Amino acid sequence: AQTVTQSQPEMSVQEAETVTLSCTYDTSESDYYLFWYKQPPSRQMILVIRQEAYKQQNATENRFSVNFQKAAKSFSLKISDSQLGDAAMYFCAYILNRDDKIIFGKGTRLHILP
Amino acid sequence: EAQVTQNPRYLITVTGKKLTVTCSQNMNHEYMSWYRQDPGLGLRQIYYSMNVEVTDKGDVPEGYKVSRKEKRNFPLILESPSPNQTSLYFCASWTGGNRAFFGQGTRLTVV
Repeated sequence: AQTVTQSQPEMSVQEAETVTLSCTYDTSESDYYLFWYKQPPSRQMILVIRQEAYKQQNATENRFSVNFQKAAKSFSLKISDSQLGDAAMYFCAYILNRDDKIIFGKGTRLHILP
Repeated sequence: EAQVTQNPRYLITVTGKKLTVTCSQNMNHEYMSWYRQDPGLGLRQIYYSMNVEVTDKGDVPEGYKVSRKEKRNFPLILESPSPNQTSLYFCASWTGGNRAFFGQGTRLTVV
């Protein structure tokens, strides 16, 4: 079965500190894309970062970066210099190139402490 | 502006009264999908469409219907809603391997 596991249902971090959200996934495919989405209280789903599985270089987007370990099937998200606006639910997901279905994890709720 | 438009945003209905949640995208995406989001369960796929007239069941299809008569529209139909379908619903669209665009969500309450 294709699954995405986010082992931390909730996390807290002090403002300006760094936090890492973990994500592991299970697929026998080799061709896929990985994503982190942010869902703030407004409920809108916002793309944070995207990683192509065939690329070894970790994706970065300003304060957001990933640690992609393909062999370990791990895709963690690091948020540097945490800001109050980063408080949200974060979902890890992947899309298989074979059928383009998106598989989501259950999410990690991130609290930012002032 | 590229977007997925989902309506209504909020809906309260009674058990058994048929309802439709509309979803429309303006990006000519092949793929569209419906998800429901429940606390502790994340986003679970209800139905998925690869293109016009091509749909497939997701993980939780029971009690739902969909149709894809046009590429841009993918309505979700609840023929006889029940209280266990109270949830937050999202429509999404995407093209191969790329980011999904999401609608604003529909908060459905069935009493």
